[in-house]
Amino acid sequence: GQNIDQPTEMTATEGAIVQINCTYQTSGFNGLFWYQQHAGEAPTFLSYNVLDGLEEKGRFSSFLSRSKGYSYLLLKELQMKDSASYLCAVRDRSGYALNFGKGTSLLVTP
Amino acid sequence: KAGVTQTPRYLIKTRGQQVTLSCSPISGHRSVSWYQQTPGQGLQFLFEYFSETQRNKGNFPGRFSGRQFSNSRSEMNVSTLELGDSALYLCASSFRTGGATDTQYFGPGTRLTVL
Repeated sequence: GQNIDQPTEMTATEGAIVQINCTYQTSGFNGLFWYQQHAGEAPTFLSYNVLDGLEEKGRFSSFLSRSKGYSYLLLKELQMKDSASYLCAVRDRSGYALNFGKGTSLLVTP
Repeated sequence: KAGVTQTPRYLIKTRGQQVTLSCSPISGHRSVSWYQQTPGQGLQFLFEYFSETQRNKGNFPGRFSGRQFSNSRSEMNVSTLELGDSALYLCASSFRTGGATDTQYFGPGTRLTVL
């Protein structure tokens, strides 16, 4: 099985940088994904990491350390529209399914 | 390119009834996965279909079932509804190339309320 942990809530200021952490324990590993979900909407894909290191995509970056079972999502130049839930998901070697953490609710304040 | 579509968007049922939800994947995607999302448990994997066969199954009772058609559209069925089945049911589609980077794209979900 898998255990995926993320902080429940975070608050940050518009224009700032925020880091959302995700730790996982898994019997295997086949990729880590980050999704954004606005209230009442579908999760939208942000990024994935398969190898250790940093993946950058505009204002969003995601980091992975497989040996530590650790990832983070970095959001720069925060905007009000970034207020959403951020979901960390791990795919293990035994299947194709994504196993999700419970999500981090980010509130961006003026 | 059209995204994943799900019908209906909202559904109200009573305990004991059954319900069928539908999902049309992104054109070209052959894998459809279903997830249940609740405030308490978050997103939980139900099952995945690829080439009309169930490939993976999550830890849900047999009341939850699904199928996939030759055009990759998928349906899930929940029989003998319970109050605890009230949730947002999301489907996600992907190419399923077998690579670790295979990305799943989600539909808007069906909000099921069981009274």
